[in-house]
Amino acid sequence: DTGVSQNPRHKITKRGQNVTFRCDPISEHNRLYWYRQTLGQGPEFLTYFQNEAQLEKSRLLSDRFSAERPKGSFSTLEIQRTEQGDSAMYLCASSLAPSNYGYTFGSGTRLTVV
Amino acid sequence: DQQVKQNSPSLSVQEGRISILNCDYTNSMFDYFLWYKKYPAEGPTFLISISSIKDKNEDGRFTVFLNKSAKHLSLHIVPSQPGDSAVYFCAALELKTSYDKVIFGPGTSLSVIP
Repeated sequence: DTGVSQNPRHKITKRGQNVTFRCDPISEHNRLYWYRQTLGQGPEFLTYFQNEAQLEKSRLLSDRFSAERPKGSFSTLEIQRTEQGDSAMYLCASSLAPSNYGYTFGSGTRLTVV
Repeated sequence: DQQVKQNSPSLSVQEGRISILNCDYTNSMFDYFLWYKKYPAEGPTFLISISSIKDKNEDGRFTVFLNKSAKHLSLHIVPSQPGDSAVYFCAALELKTSYDKVIFGPGTSLSVIP
């Protein structure tokens, strides 16, 4: 197992287009998280899955955002009708709870909306 | 409302000297405090943590001190090395029934000058 994998690493899209990112967590981790990081800020929580159930969503996750984790394995984050303000690094993390080590993060997907 | 604060956006230190990164928090319910290190184009990686019932934790060149009465923690790196140059995020972990909630500070960019 090589850790948390995210694809693509970079995505440039035109405003108004839909984009989808994929995250493959560490295989034995049942908890999966999506975070967003903008320049000069720390990662901000978006949503959390335990197995296939989405148990928590941040207010940051507008109606244009949707996340899934079918069968409790990989997860996808879709952004519809992208806006320039969506430009950010989208980070996926997983954990085997409970853990005092926090999460294991992937390398992220850098989204640029032009 | 920022629950985890890092008031120094950047810090420069000479190689071999001590680096001290500071962090303040507002929520007394946090169970652990963590430090993550982030290189450009990579996700954050866990560095060291401390339980809220401890006041010090040491791991090699890295030591974290916790002052609960002041709601303050600090990361000491001794001796600092050029490879330590990165963004350091202070984070706080609240162990919940459903998931482990990690809240990040905005980060401090450390530059270790050879």
